[in-house]
Amino acid sequence: GAGVSQSPRYKVTKRGQDVALRCDPISGHVSLYWYRQALGQGPEFLTYFNYEAQQDKSGLPNDRFSAERPEGSISTLTIQRTEQRDSAMYRCASSLEWGNEQFFGPGTRLTVL
Amino acid sequence: DAKTTQPTSMDCAEGRAANLPCNHSTISGNEYVYWYRQIHSQGPQYIIHGLKNNETNEMASLIITEDRKSSTLILPHATLRDTAVYYCIVSVSGYALNFGKGTSLLVTP
Repeated sequence: GAGVSQSPRYKVTKRGQDVALRCDPISGHVSLYWYRQALGQGPEFLTYFNYEAQQDKSGLPNDRFSAERPEGSISTLTIQRTEQRDSAMYRCASSLEWGNEQFFGPGTRLTVL
Repeated sequence: DAKTTQPTSMDCAEGRAANLPCNHSTISGNEYVYWYRQIHSQGPQYIIHGLKNNETNEMASLIITEDRKSSTLILPHATLRDTAVYYCIVSVSGYALNFGKGTSLLVTP
């Protein structure tokens, strides 16, 4: 079946603009995760959902970052008033249940000019 | 979650076993050891996880020491396609995974 998909795959934006990154998890997966990966580093946890409920947002760096999953399927990570330091690969993952093996999507490469 | 220490890089000859070590001396009793790998720029791929006992699946074996302060991931017959960055992660939740820098494994012909 289809894996985790993310869109857009690449996003270039100017500093100060808002961006919305989309994640489409594997069908039937209850849990959805967002990570950020800087060059040369492993992914860093941002936030996590069970169904539509945001269970943990402790990894979100500041209040410019928010995420939602209103119907318990597709999720959107929004970054307001982007800054150059927000440039990174943003990865989404899903799992059948909380704590299970996570399946990662291809990521969205965000570049803030 | 406990911190892990892994070598920055390792080499392995194709067909030989690749043994990737991980130290997690501050691990607590309810924390699992997870291994993921990332091939080039793809998303990370789950390999295996364990709590106390050694684990084996179709990809690899995980050996955890009795005091649980270290573990070893074993790829029994490494192939060129196993060239990747391997991450050892310790987590009680299993969801908020922080990957660190991992070990870059190069499998050579």
